[in-house]
Amino acid sequence: GESVGLHLPTLSVQEGDNSIINCAYSNSASDYFIWYKQESGKGPQFIIDIRSNMDKRQGQRVTVLLNKTVKHLSLQIAATQPGDSAVYFCAETVTGANNLFFGTGTRLTVIP
Amino acid sequence: NAGVMQNPRHLVRRRGQEARLRCSPMKGHSHVYWYRQLPEEGLKFMVYLQKENIIDESGMPKERFSAEFPKEGPSILRIQQVVRGDSAAYFCASSPHPGQPSGNTIYFGEGSWLTVV
Repeated sequence: GESVGLHLPTLSVQEGDNSIINCAYSNSASDYFIWYKQESGKGPQFIIDIRSNMDKRQGQRVTVLLNKTVKHLSLQIAATQPGDSAVYFCAETVTGANNLFFGTGTRLTVIP
Repeated sequence: NAGVMQNPRHLVRRRGQEARLRCSPMKGHSHVYWYRQLPEEGLKFMVYLQKENIIDESGMPKERFSAEFPKEGPSILRIQQVVRGDSAAYFCASSPHPGQPSGNTIYFGEGSWLTVV
């Protein structure tokens, strides 16, 4: 069911360290996954995506890992910077669907 | 986020009033999605529209909420007789492709924050 009014999970890291943000997705039929970054007062920004025929994908400073067996997704950010401070959401969908299902989100705080 | 324009960015309404939120998609995009975000929560899908057609409104509340995307002009999300529980951020996204949004081709606007007092 939906959770209402719960505080976001938080992750605090030192500047320069690596960050790992986790997401458990709900639908075993989902075959496309996206990570978004949302800064305060702004809309979600695309970071990286991955399809279910892959288990790893790398971008610039970011890596997404997909474990379909346990329905788990993670986002790794290398050499975290203060500008990375934001809320990070994973989103899932099924090929042919019209919408994305967003997870609860994790608030990342980078300590200078 | 560049290109998807939403207005107003902030809107305050008294209970019982109407709220109208507008979304102009990116140039060349004819597919519009509306999502709602409550504080400290993820975005929840509301409706998917193409020009002059509602394709999927499975996330829209059955009463008081409506959406349109006319042939000319922006997409409008309309909330009649607002209640305090309608207070949220409403995000519009647009895509050039139909059906399943692809992560690097769906773009979100900056959102409209509705506060009902």
